Amino acid sequence: DIQMTQAPSSLSASVGDRVTITCRASQIINSYLNWYQQKPGMAPKLLIYAASNLQSGVPSRFTGSGSDTDFTLTITFLQPEDFASYYCQQTYNTPYTFGQGTKLEIK
Amino acid sequence: EVQLVQSGAEVKKTGESLKISCKGSGYSFTSYWIGWVRQMPGKGLEWMGIIYPGDSDTRYNPSFRGQVTISADKSINTAYLQWSSLKALDTAIYYCARQFPGSGDYVSNAFDVWGQGTLVTVSS
Repeated sequence: DIQMTQAPSSLSASVGDRVTITCRASQIINSYLNWYQQKPGMAPKLLIYAASNLQSGVPSRFTGSGSDTDFTLTITFLQPEDFASYYCQQTYNTPYTFGQGTKLEIK
Repeated sequence: EVQLVQSGAEVKKTGESLKISCKGSGYSFTSYWIGWVRQMPGKGLEWMGIIYPGDSDTRYNPSFRGQVTISADKSINTAYLQWSSLKALDTAIYYCARQFPGSGDYVSNAFDVWGQGTLVTVSS
């Protein structure tokens, strides 16, 4: 199985900040990388697919980049509704594994 | 509106069987893979497997193969996740989700539409 490692596991930031979450794959996955946001008690929501493509309806302050093994999710100008957990997922090979998650908290 | 609606919360005892459901609407149910994702209490997301309702082709995460069965009934646009003998460690929220093939030149296989989740609680 492909292992996905996110960093950091948790992060404190303030409204208006810019934050970056990284995701590293244990092998090359080209651009088969997706990002999700999950708020407490809610189902995950797709933010970014194929490494850098913004899902319809997702604000442009979310951007994804990277390829092969190293990927980043950047959120510019944090809004109160962005404080949540974030997960990366590879869809290069089944099982389509998730990273362990990054919890973004208000400072 | 494209949506997936899951069956309600379940409370079961160890050793019992269970089948939870996920009903799709607003799109061609037989044309998209449907997946199942486990989230144990306070933990992250685990990809369990996917099924293509059009022909019931199924792929399992080896960690879950033999522990659960994924199936679908395309006549009623419904996918299922079932257990023959529950364990306490099966206590979790289970999500179904539609697999999105991508757009244009970008292949995805991300989950773009999610059910609301089904909480399964197993106790002795």
